Order: sequence, then structure tokens, then C-alpha cells
Amino acid sequence: GIQVEQSPPDLILQEGANSTLRCNFSDSVNNLQWFHQNPWGQLINLFYIPSGTKQNGRLSATTVATERYSLLYISSSQTTDSGVYFCAAASGGSYIPTFGRGTSLIVHP
Amino acid sequence: KAGVTQTPRYLIKTRGQQVTLSCSPISGHRSVSWYQQTPGQGLQFLFEYFSETQRNKGNFPGRFSGRQFSNSRSEMNVSTLELGDSALYLCASSPGGGYTFGSGTRLTVV
Repeated sequence: GIQVEQSPPDLILQEGANSTLRCNFSDSVNNLQWFHQNPWGQLINLFYIPSGTKQNGRLSATTVATERYSLLYISSSQTTDSGVYFCAAASGGSYIPTFGRGTSLIVHP
Repeated sequence: KAGVTQTPRYLIKTRGQQVTLSCSPISGHRSVSWYQQTPGQGLQFLFEYFSETQRNKGNFPGRFSGRQFSNSRSEMNVSTLELGDSALYLCASSPGGGYTFGSGTRLTVV
């Protein structure tokens, strides 16, 4: 099945800083999503982005499907951005997403 | 529009018991998937149901089972609980494409 790798595994920022999270995948994708898991465990859907670029407020994402990677940009980070960010991708005949191990983000005030 | 609802939120069970978790998808979503999340293994796919049929299954033992009702609500059952079954169980619904997850059920087996 598809392999999904995320980097970096951990990230510590000061409030106001910008960051880029990366997701590499091993096959062409028909489904790619970014999620934020809050401290209570809920996975919140940030972007459904199998290709192209999307923006939502301070967050944006770009997927370059031909080069098999996706990037999540967080600008002007806030303490509420803390949590774990997951990338999940599906490929070929399977539309069941495989999750990466996540990037744990801590934003200090 | 109501989101994905999972009940209960927390559960403590004893080894050897069985447990049933419930998931109500977003109205109109016919696909329901279940994932197990543990610190060691991360998020792992359990199974997916569509129109009351199991359409996909992950690599879990037969103690893990599920079903879906005609109103798309889904239940998963774990029999003969083991300590290693302690995890956050997440349910997601999809119209085909992106997934929306519920808040999860945190199961502790003692």
C-alpha cells in the first residue's frame, strides 16, 4: 500500500512564527487530506487537497501530485495551533486513507 | 448540519469483556470508516462500511467486528478485550472523497 511520511516529527515555535510541514507519499494519490488533532483527540479536517493549492485564513496547503508531496503552511502561528498535524493519502484503487505519523507542533506564547 | 457523533466518549473495561462503540455519520454520508489510534502504532484502519456492507477491512484480528444499519449508523464491537486494545477509536464518515471524523471513544482496558 501507499507509504506516507511526514516531517519534521516535532516542531516548537514562538507565537507569530511561520512554519512549513511536509508530507511525502510513495504513489500517485486520489485522496489527500490534512488534519489537526487537538489535545482532546478530535481530528479536524483542514484541507482535502489531492492536487493544487488551497487557503483558509492563516493556513494554506499545496499538493504537487507529480512529485508526490504536499506542504501545509501555517503563518503567524498562535498557541491554539498546537497539536498534531496529520497527512492522510489514498492511491490507486483504494480510497481508504493511510495516515502518516504526524508532526507534533507546540506554539509558545 | 450535525457532525459525526460517537458514543460513549470514554469507556473503561476489564480484560476478557466485550465492548460496543457507536457512530452516527453526517446525514447523507453512506460511508463510515473506523480507525484505531495508539501511541505506538499511530492511526490504523479497521474497516469501512457502505450501504450496510463491509467494503474494506484492515489488518486486525477477528475479535474486531462491525456493522452498519439502514440509517447509516455504525457500531463496532471488540470481544475478549486485551490490554493492548486500549486506544482512541475514531469513526469517520464520507460522501466519497474527504473524511470527517467524530470526537472518538477513548477505551481503557484494565
